[in-house]
Amino acid sequence: EAGVTQFPSHSVIEKGQTVTLRCDPISGHDNLYWYRRVMGKEIKFLLHFVKESKQDESGMPNNRFLAERTGGTYSTLKVQPAELEDSGVYFCASSPKWGDYEQYFGPGTRLTVT
Amino acid sequence: QKEVEQDPGPLSVPEGAIVSLNCTYSNSAFQYFMWYRQYSRKGPELLMYTYSSGNKEDGRFTAQVDKSSKYISLFIRDSQPSDSATYLCAMSVRQGAQKLVFGQGTRLTINP
Repeated sequence: EAGVTQFPSHSVIEKGQTVTLRCDPISGHDNLYWYRRVMGKEIKFLLHFVKESKQDESGMPNNRFLAERTGGTYSTLKVQPAELEDSGVYFCASSPKWGDYEQYFGPGTRLTVT
Repeated sequence: QKEVEQDPGPLSVPEGAIVSLNCTYSNSAFQYFMWYRQYSRKGPELLMYTYSSGNKEDGRFTAQVDKSSKYISLFIRDSQPSDSATYLCAMSVRQGAQKLVFGQGTRLTINP
């Protein structure tokens, strides 16, 4: 069974540009999460989808970030326009259903904003 | 103040040593406690999961939770070079599909 995949693995963009990160969860997993790790800091929660609905978006830093989950399958996280402080590693995780606590993480997308 | 505090290390020990990793937290609502292991350029993977206070053992790994002190620990016995990784504590308020609150992670190296 394939794990959580993320694309791209690394993205370098200039301040003011737009970047879209993609996450493909494990097939059949209803729950999808986005987290971010800024250098030197802890991994922080961004938001949680249950199927295609946003269950919790309390961690989204501001309205430059837009997350979608089309048809309850893959998810995208768009940053527009990117700022220097958006640099970090963006992790996606998924879990099967409501009662399951284990979150399976992808390898992350390393975003560098210059 | 961070909700979860974890010494980032780095921590370097010889092979075979007992390793002790720990986290403290401030939010008394946390009920579920996890340890994740992350190898370089990989995502975190769940290592141990405990509910409330107490101990849990899995092979060479033991997780301890002391809710009265808001302190959790992970012990690794007979440490191996393959245990070299970053260890992250994580917590949640409720069971199931919930956001996790992470510590900063401790970078551990086991020297042969």
